Amino acid sequence: KAGVTQTPRYLIKTRGQQVTLSCSPISGHRSVSWYQQTPGQGLQFLFEYFSETQRNKGNFPGRFSGRQFSNSRSEMNVSTLELGDSALYLCASSLGSGGGTEAFFGQGTRLTVV
Amino acid sequence: KQEVTQIPAALSVPEGENLVLNCSFTDSAIYNLQWFRQDPGKGLTSLLLIQSSQREQTSGRLNASLDKSSGRSTLYIAASQPGDSATYLCAVSRGQAGTALIFGKGTTLSVSS
Repeated sequence: KAGVTQTPRYLIKTRGQQVTLSCSPISGHRSVSWYQQTPGQGLQFLFEYFSETQRNKGNFPGRFSGRQFSNSRSEMNVSTLELGDSALYLCASSLGSGGGTEAFFGQGTRLTVV
Repeated sequence: KQEVTQIPAALSVPEGENLVLNCSFTDSAIYNLQWFRQDPGKGLTSLLLIQSSQREQTSGRLNASLDKSSGRSTLYIAASQPGDSATYLCAVSRGQAGTALIFGKGTTLSVSS
């Protein structure tokens, strides 16, 4: 059974550009969540999608957005990149029915903004 | 606002030692608690999931307990090995719907041979 797949694994972008990250969940999982991990702040929740609808949202500016497709694949977009957006971005998938299901994470996308 | 704290931040032990990692959370109204392992620069590997109605879960040399009323969880690792060296993170589910997790900052474990 394939795990959670994130592409690309590494990205280098310039300040002011925008970037799109992709996440393919485990087959049959309908929930995809995104997290930002930095040395100073640790892991912070960005947003969660379930059946193509944003179901939960963390405390991040509107430059961070996402979407989910009918096959449950999800994309995250960051516009007008800032140096502080450099981080490891992780996505997690789960069955998504209720709050009791186990989350499985991908290997992450390492974004560097220069 | 839910806050998750993990103590200690770092731990070094010799191989073979039994050890306990601690996790505390401020709001006892959680739906589940999950322990993860993260190797440097990698994603998270799920170790154990404890539902809010459960008291503990076991997998191999790992045992995790949950005390919702006191807002605490512990991860017990028996007979530690160098391969156990990693950062261990606990996370609590944030709400009824979905898997929005609130994470602690982690405990970095180093097991020497």
